[in-house]
Amino acid sequence: GAGVSQSPRYKVAKRGQDVALRCDPISGHVSLFWYQQALGQGPEFLTYFQNEAQLDKSGLPSDRFFAERPEGSVSTLKIQRTQQEDSAVYLCASSLVVNYGYTFGSGTRLTVV
Amino acid sequence: GESVGLHLPTLSVQEGDNSIINCAYSNSASDYFIWYKQESGKGPQFIIDIRSNMDKRQGQRVTVLLNKTVKHLSLQIAATQPGDSAVYFCAEKVGGTSYGKLTFGQGTILTVHP
Repeated sequence: GAGVSQSPRYKVAKRGQDVALRCDPISGHVSLFWYQQALGQGPEFLTYFQNEAQLDKSGLPSDRFFAERPEGSVSTLKIQRTQQEDSAVYLCASSLVVNYGYTFGSGTRLTVV
Repeated sequence: GESVGLHLPTLSVQEGDNSIINCAYSNSASDYFIWYKQESGKGPQFIIDIRSNMDKRQGQRVTVLLNKTVKHLSLQIAATQPGDSAVYFCAEKVGGTSYGKLTFGQGTILTVHP
């Protein structure tokens, strides 16, 4: 597609519910990042994939967070047993070339009630 | 990093004025910097970038200045327009990583009055 597509755009989850957030990067893009953006703050790094390999998951806040990119294209960020502090916008970014040229999606706004 | 919650720095200007948005970065090992514009409900949009071996880079109506001595980055927008109203973030990439993990600053809200 023309840009990075994320779905759903909005998700309301009850505390304790599991959620899955999807990212469709630009076709052919090697690098894929997930960031978390709390209200009024800049995005914070969660995890990085190069093709299907998850090379860095140092930003995942707890073991309730899990990300995958099994075929090196679409990626899913899963949050188990959601908590109120998980409420944020989750952004996906991809780039063709490692290190430069990131394009962000519009994000998924997760609200945990 | 430092968190200021909802109290982002703000800059209000009149249409046609020049705007300067500042950013202090944290890591002297950072080798690549990007300015992003984020409108409500959208993801960050690339504006301009600069590598650490440069002091200045110009784009269309935008200029980025890098002062490595004091770890300071600025974005200058010429002839600011109402469509420039958004939150602006600087981001840095630490050298030595084999991929482009970015650390974002806190953001500045720019409001342009017609």
